[in-house]
Amino acid sequence: ETGVTQSPTHLIKTRGQQVTLRCSSQSGHNTVSWYQQALGQGPQFIFQYYREEENGRGNFPPRFSGLQFPNYSSELNVNALELDDSALYLCASSFQTANYGYTFGSGTRLTVV
Amino acid sequence: GQQLNQSPQSMFIQEGEDVSMNCTSSSIFNTWLWYKQDPGEGPVLLIALYKAGELTSNGRLTAQFGITRKDSFLNISASIPSDVGIYFCAGQFDNTDKLIFGTGTRLQVFP
Repeated sequence: ETGVTQSPTHLIKTRGQQVTLRCSSQSGHNTVSWYQQALGQGPQFIFQYYREEENGRGNFPPRFSGLQFPNYSSELNVNALELDDSALYLCASSFQTANYGYTFGSGTRLTVV
Repeated sequence: GQQLNQSPQSMFIQEGEDVSMNCTSSSIFNTWLWYKQDPGEGPVLLIALYKAGELTSNGRLTAQFGITRKDSFLNISASIPSDVGIYFCAGQFDNTDKLIFGTGTRLQVFP
């Protein structure tokens, strides 16, 4: 049974650019949630995808968007990158929307310069 | 964004000592969770608590769901070097909702 895999592991982008982060959910999991973790902070909920549709969103602007594919993998897209977007982006998968079954990936470290 | 208050922020202890940390919220939660995060990794679930007053153990770890549903405690007994890491509490209003994480407690264990 494979866990949650995220790619890339590290990324450096310039302010104003766009970025796409990818997540493959754990086998048997059909729900994906994305979190942003700034340095020295706890993770902050961005949004959740279930059955290819957004199923809840945190306090993030519309330039943060996502997709879920039929195989339950997911993408997080961020447009018009700002310096404050520099963070560790974590993907978590679960079965249905029951979050107590969360499995987190190792994250993508995004640096915006 | 909303974060729960965790204390202490950091702890430096000797191997073999016991550790206590806690988490408080202004909101009532139906579920409390405790995670450990190692450098370069995502959080790993340690203990989940589903009922006010519940006391649950996982090996050397024991956690309690506060009776007011606004706090939770984690204790680690007889610490070992591999306990080093950042411990996060997380609250959940219901089991379909997002997790709200605490600010973290960084634990260092010296031999």
